[in-house]
Amino acid sequence: NAGVMQNPRHLVRRRGQEARLRCSPMKGHSHVYWYRQLPEEGLKFMVYLQKENIIDESGMPKERFSAEFPKEGPSILRIQQVVRGDSAAYFCASSQQGALETQYFGPGTRLLVL
Amino acid sequence: SQQGEEDPQALSIQEGENATMNCSYKTSINNLQWYRQNSGRGLVHLILIRSNEREKHSGRLRVTLDTSKKSSSLLITASRAADTASYFCATAPMYSSASKIIFGSGTRLSIRP
Repeated sequence: NAGVMQNPRHLVRRRGQEARLRCSPMKGHSHVYWYRQLPEEGLKFMVYLQKENIIDESGMPKERFSAEFPKEGPSILRIQQVVRGDSAAYFCASSQQGALETQYFGPGTRLLVL
Repeated sequence: SQQGEEDPQALSIQEGENATMNCSYKTSINNLQWYRQNSGRGLVHLILIRSNEREKHSGRLRVTLDTSKKSSSLLITASRAADTASYFCATAPMYSSASKIIFGSGTRLSIRP
């Protein structure tokens, strides 16, 4: 049973470009979470999605960031017009029945904005 | 301090010794989880302890939860070099939406050979 998959593992973008991060949850999991981690810090919650629905986006910046989890395919975290401050590791997690259960994390995507 | 704050921030011990890390939080919780993160890697789930539990074991790991003090501890016995990592506690606050868990800033554990 494959774990949570994220790609790409590393992404380099220039300021103003778009970054698209993908996450495939564990088989049988319909709850997906995105977190951001700056160096030497803990993870900060960004958004919680179920299939085709955004449940909680209270941690998402108001502009340039969006997330989706379509009926088919992976969850996508999209960052438009990236700035240097967006450089971080972005982790996706999935769970079977919501945040009260164990969340399983992917290996992360490390975004570097030049 | 924020919800889920680990103490100490960094810990260095000799291989074979026990390592204890603490986590304090502010609001009532549904559960608390401990995760390990090796440098440059994703998080590995260690233990989930629910608010009505006081202690859980998993191999060399022992987690305690004291809801009256709003604190938890993670004990790693007979430490090994492979235990070198950052350890995070994460709380599921007792909000009505209960949709997210909140991470602390972590304890960086180093095991000296």
